[in-house]
Amino acid sequence: QKEVEQNSGPLSVPEGAIASLNCTYSDRVSQSFFWYRQYSGKSPELIMSIYSNGDKEDGRFTAQLNKASQYVSLLIRDSQPSDSATYLCAVNPWGFKTIFGAGTRLFVKA
Amino acid sequence: GAVVSQHPSWVICKSGTSVKIECRSLDFQATTMFWYRQFPKQSLMLMATSNEGSKATYEQGVEKDKFLINHASLTLSTLTVTSAHPEDSSFYICSARDRSPTTYNEQFFGPGTRLTVL
Repeated sequence: QKEVEQNSGPLSVPEGAIASLNCTYSDRVSQSFFWYRQYSGKSPELIMSIYSNGDKEDGRFTAQLNKASQYVSLLIRDSQPSDSATYLCAVNPWGFKTIFGAGTRLFVKA
Repeated sequence: GAVVSQHPSWVICKSGTSVKIECRSLDFQATTMFWYRQFPKQSLMLMATSNEGSKATYEQGVEKDKFLINHASLTLSTLTVTSAHPEDSSFYICSARDRSPTTYNEQFFGPGTRLTVL
């Protein structure tokens, strides 16, 4: 069973802090990793893709991948109340269907 | 880029009627489209995967005769909920996978369709 595990939260951080979201996956052949943001009542929005070990930065977001540990994370710097949402980790083993985690709820306190 | 549209955004229908939901990739060709269902405060649940020109692959427990999927072109897939019942009320979301080698495996979601069956 291919699985993607996330802490359901809620993760609560004060405005301006760094939010750290974590994800582990079970399928070692996975090659593509994604983070989606889903606001309540809306559909998921792709915010980061990462394909190789290390860090990938895009604005306030940094995705980190460690294939040896089967671990992927998302850091959100200078967190804002507008970042409050559910963050979905997704993993794809080339050509197969993408497996989504259940999501971590993030709450940024003003 | 990578915009996916869905129509309608919401629909209310009577029990026993059929409802068709359209999903379009507006600025890219999608090799594969996916249909998900999401109940309030629950995770995304993949219903089926459709490839252009071939039959959809349904997930275990999803009735293919109830949820008809047609993927007529590289930019259009439709989901028809046949003989809808109140328990089919949910948020239906499609997504499309881009063919581009630079974004391969990225899935882009439509805005979703909220179905209410009375």
